Amino acid sequence: EELVVESGGGLIHPGGSQRLSCAPSGFHVGTSYMSWVRQAAGEGLEWVSVIYSGGDTYYGDSVKGRFTVSRDNSKNMLYLQMNSLRVDDTAVYYCAKMGSGSFTYFDTWGQGTQVTVSS
Amino acid sequence: QSALTQPASVSGSPGQSITISCTGTLNDVGGFKYVSWYQQHPGRVPKLLIYDVTYRPSGVSDRFSGSKSGNTASLTISGLQPEDEADYYCSSYTTANNPFVFGTGTKVTVL
Repeated sequence: EELVVESGGGLIHPGGSQRLSCAPSGFHVGTSYMSWVRQAAGEGLEWVSVIYSGGDTYYGDSVKGRFTVSRDNSKNMLYLQMNSLRVDDTAVYYCAKMGSGSFTYFDTWGQGTQVTVSS
Repeated sequence: QSALTQPASVSGSPGQSITISCTGTLNDVGGFKYVSWYQQHPGRVPKLLIYDVTYRPSGVSDRFSGSKSGNTASLTISGLQPEDEADYYCSSYTTANNPFVFGTGTKVTVL
């Protein structure tokens, strides 16, 4: 069974930084397309970033230039480095594996990790 | 990249069929066969229902079906059941530099 588990959330001051981690089991991040998706309380889903198996990365407009997605193939881990955090970055952050058919859908989701940006 | 447009709410009685629309543009929904749908119960993790417009993952009830016409994709729930009460989101691949976008979400109420 394929699973992912996120960690690293917490309370951060505006302007601060935080790194989220995602630990997969049952598959390897290096051969998968992996995304981060977030959801503010009472709001909808917002796609944040993706890293393709070849290493290409893409970001949503609201986080571009501030967030960086990366992976460590030797540790089989995915990361999201978040800098210059703003109050409106407050959300549950989900790590999601993208389906291995067209690689355009999210077939495995973690339980999420809460990030709260507040002074 | 603007979110895809979904109705805020849809309701139906048990046993009825309902359809949720997801409207985009030629740059996303209309340009690709890469629309997916997700169900999210309150406080729970999103669950994949439909991918590539019409395909159901193993284990998803055949009461859920997807289709697309032009720039609008649709999710139909047949034989509505109380446990179908949840939020539903569409998603599409896009041509933009940010290659994925979600819909605004639809709350389904079973009357």
